[in-house]
Amino acid sequence: EPEVTQTPSHQVTQMGQEVILRCVPISNHLYFYWYRQILGQKVEFLVSFYNNEISEKSEIFDDQFSVERPDGSNFTLKIRSTKLEDSAMYFCASKEGVTNEKLFFGSGTQLSVL
Amino acid sequence: DQQVKQNSPSLSVQEGRISILNCDYTNSMFDYFLWYKKYPAEGPTFLISISSIKDKNEDGRFTVFLNKSAKHLSLHIVPSQPGDSAVYFCAAISYTSGTYKYIFGTGTRLKVLA
Repeated sequence: EPEVTQTPSHQVTQMGQEVILRCVPISNHLYFYWYRQILGQKVEFLVSFYNNEISEKSEIFDDQFSVERPDGSNFTLKIRSTKLEDSAMYFCASKEGVTNEKLFFGSGTQLSVL
Repeated sequence: DQQVKQNSPSLSVQEGRISILNCDYTNSMFDYFLWYKKYPAEGPTFLISISSIKDKNEDGRFTVFLNKSAKHLSLHIVPSQPGDSAVYFCAAISYTSGTYKYIFGTGTRLKVLA
């Protein structure tokens, strides 16, 4: 079965550093999402992306965050200047079309900010 | 603002018995619900879904029930197997401003005892 792939699986960074989390969505999918889960808490929506632009973003997704689909296959989440509270598991997800509700998740990138 | 709630953080069930996982929501405009299963170090995987026009959907050992008047849904697993041990997330789809947003609960950790 096709799958969403995320790299790296773990990322450790110093506070204030920039990180880029990478995702390769399923190839025929058109809608892309980033979610995160802080340890012991719920899975939180960050941003959705369609047709090369952000369609919605949450309050968490402030100016330090950005997303990009640089080459038609990768979908990246950049955090410009990481904070301790950005430590979380970040999940990329994609779905095929607007009426297809099934969202496919990658296995996540565990980000640790020291 | 917790629109999707899973009030039981954990549940233990004997192998072969029924597991019942519950989920409550607050927004009566939600019209599609999904259950995801998550193993450690993996992303959530889709399990089963239900549209608000139905009150039950069944797939093998998994059945989801929806009670719209009570804004409550439940996932039944019969019979439970040790491999079902995972965290289960309930999610609701909200459609606003032309965008579908998936709102997740905090999850219930199911442990099936052999």
